[in-house]
Amino acid sequence: GAVVSQHPSWVICKSGTSVKIECRSLDFQATTMFWYRQFPKQSLMLMATSNEGSKATYEQGVEKDKFLINHASLTLSTLTVTSAHPEDSSFYICSAGFVRGGGTQYFGPGTRLTVL
Amino acid sequence: QKEVEQNSGPLSVPEGAIASLNCTYSDRGSQSFFWYRQYSGKSPELIMSIYSNGDKEDGRFTAQLNKASQYVSLLIRDSQPSDSATYLCAVLLGGGADGLTFGKGTHLIIQP
Repeated sequence: GAVVSQHPSWVICKSGTSVKIECRSLDFQATTMFWYRQFPKQSLMLMATSNEGSKATYEQGVEKDKFLINHASLTLSTLTVTSAHPEDSSFYICSAGFVRGGGTQYFGPGTRLTVL
Repeated sequence: QKEVEQNSGPLSVPEGAIASLNCTYSDRGSQSFFWYRQYSGKSPELIMSIYSNGDKEDGRFTAQLNKASQYVSLLIRDSQPSDSATYLCAVLLGGGADGLTFGKGTHLIIQP
């Protein structure tokens, strides 16, 4: 099956700093990558859709200037949480999918962000 | 607004029995349906996908889709303790360029 990696798996940072999370599709080229966020005991919420070479599409309520997404290649997308605050502490999960694959998405292992 | 509803549980099932998980969705235009399993602290793992009405079987898992009733279900036969997890129903409105809409998940407990 398709393998998606994320780095780092966990990060602790101070309030006001920025954190970058990488998402890579290891054995396939992903035309589209997605970023989700999951708070404790809640489900995954889509934050943004990232297409290679174009600007990301953000879901309503997600600040594009705070959550910077770059999709420079077909195998790498990055999410930068700028000026992080404690309320940004969450489990961030990326996924990669195929436009013509019936919508199947393969998830990375996730990054647990804790902002102190 | 797209909504996916699941009973949060916990659903407790004895080992060896059939676990039945249900999901309803609000958008009639939804085209693809997925079941993911999520262990605590881990990311979701794809179990099944289903696109047309009827049943789809894969090993101990059977997904059922009824678009007229906007209902998706997952049956797990011969339940094992390792099946204890949260099961997420996810729906895709359009094609592969869209993100998934997830339900809140059903917490399943298989009792040895």
